[in-house]
Amino acid sequence: AQSVTQLDSQVPVFEEAPVELRCNYSSSVSVYLFWYVQYPNQGLQLLLKYLSGSTLVKGINGFEAEFNKSQTSFHLRKPSVHISDTAEYFCAVSTTLYGKLTFGQGTILTVHP
Amino acid sequence: GAVVSQHPSWVICKSGTSVKIECRSLDFQATTMFWYRQFPKQSLMLMATSNEGSKATYEQGVEKDKFLINHASLTLSTLTVTSAHPEDSSFYICSARLGTSGSLNTQYFGPGTRLTVL
Repeated sequence: AQSVTQLDSQVPVFEEAPVELRCNYSSSVSVYLFWYVQYPNQGLQLLLKYLSGSTLVKGINGFEAEFNKSQTSFHLRKPSVHISDTAEYFCAVSTTLYGKLTFGQGTILTVHP
Repeated sequence: GAVVSQHPSWVICKSGTSVKIECRSLDFQATTMFWYRQFPKQSLMLMATSNEGSKATYEQGVEKDKFLINHASLTLSTLTVTSAHPEDSSFYICSARLGTSGSLNTQYFGPGTRLTVL
């Protein structure tokens, strides 16, 4: 079975500052990795995904993430955040075989003016 | 592309009644749909995996007779909460997947349905 740990439950930052949301996973088989964003009272929107190939993945809204197999991490980064980035972010992993997603606990990003 | 809708977005019902939630993939055919529930300030918990034309696979601890799932077509899956009780109040979210290999193995989520049982 796989598991996902998001190391920070809340991350407050000021507008235009860089941000990193941390995600570590555990799995005995190959995995696909995802970051989703959830705005209040809404479903999840896919930010980016790692399936194979380049370990640096670029997504929507200026976000990117780097897959580090040796450290079993998939941290999400943005060089300069906006107020509109305030939301909850979920890291998720699925096995290549079955595709069931396992989610981390979520990180609430709050961007202050 | 890859838009998933849910209906209704919000429902209030009396204890003991049943509620049906629809999940539709609008611009693609989904071989598999998933149903999740999310309690306030918590992560998503997978309830069941629904494959078109076959019985749903429920996660451990989820009562299949209480949460009935029907995946009648490649674009529609329904979740019926039978004899709902206040503890069933939650945010129910569905997702749909194109396939199992490579980039097809990506889940696209609906906007969610908030169920409140009085």
